[in-house]
Amino acid sequence: GQNIDQPTEMTATEGAIVQINCTYQTSGFNGLFWYQQHAGEAPTFLSYNVLDGLEEKGRFSSFLSRSKGYSYLLLKELQMKDSASYLCAVTTSGTYKYIFGTGTRLKVLA
Amino acid sequence: GAVVSQHPSWVICKSGTSVKIECRSLDFQATTMFWYRQFPKQSLMLMATSNEGSKATYEQGVEKDKFLINHASLTLSTLTVTSAHPEDSSFYICSARDITGSNSPLHFGNGTRLTVT
Repeated sequence: GQNIDQPTEMTATEGAIVQINCTYQTSGFNGLFWYQQHAGEAPTFLSYNVLDGLEEKGRFSSFLSRSKGYSYLLLKELQMKDSASYLCAVTTSGTYKYIFGTGTRLKVLA
Repeated sequence: GAVVSQHPSWVICKSGTSVKIECRSLDFQATTMFWYRQFPKQSLMLMATSNEGSKATYEQGVEKDKFLINHASLTLSTLTVTSAHPEDSSFYICSARDITGSNSPLHFGNGTRLTVT
C-alpha cells in the first residue's frame, strides 16, 4: 500500500521561516511534488523533487531524501497570503498516478 | 502555461438526478486525466484515472457504475455522477498532465462544488 503523512496543522508568524514535513511509504517511487491550496480553490504547483537534495525556488525550497522516504517544504519570509493548505504528492513508477498526502493547514499570524 | 478548464464551477441538484462535469485541457493534449474528490478540510482523494480511448481505472472503493468517466478525446474528459445522493456532495477536481512528460506537474481545473439536496 501507500502511505503519505503530513502534520495536520501548523502556525507561524509573519516574516518567519516554517518547515512542513512529509513522510511517505510507496512502492516504486518516481517523484515528489508540493502544491499549495487556498480554501475553495484548486491546488497550484509549487515544486518537485526527483533526486535527493534541495530545490530552491524563491521563498520556497523543497528537500528530498529517497532513502528515508522524507521530504520537507521550507517557506521563508512568511506572508499572510501564505496561509493555505500545503499538499505533498508522490508519483509512482509505472502508473504515474499522483497520490496526495493528508495536507498541512498553515496559519500565518501577524 | 498549461490550462485545464473545468465546468461547471458549482452545481446544486436534487437527490436521484445525474450531474455531468467536464474537464478540458485548453492548450495541450492529455492522454491521461485524473479525477479527485475532496471533503472539507481533507486532502485530495484520487477517484479514477481517465485514459483517452479506453476505460477508466478506478481506485479501490470507488463505484464505477456511479461515477461514469468518459475520455473521448485528447482534450476532454467527463465525470458523470449518476443518481446523486446527499453523501455525494463534495468538491470534485480534475487534473491533467502535459502529454510530453510523465513526471511533469499536474495541472488542475478550478473544481466543481456539488451539492445534492
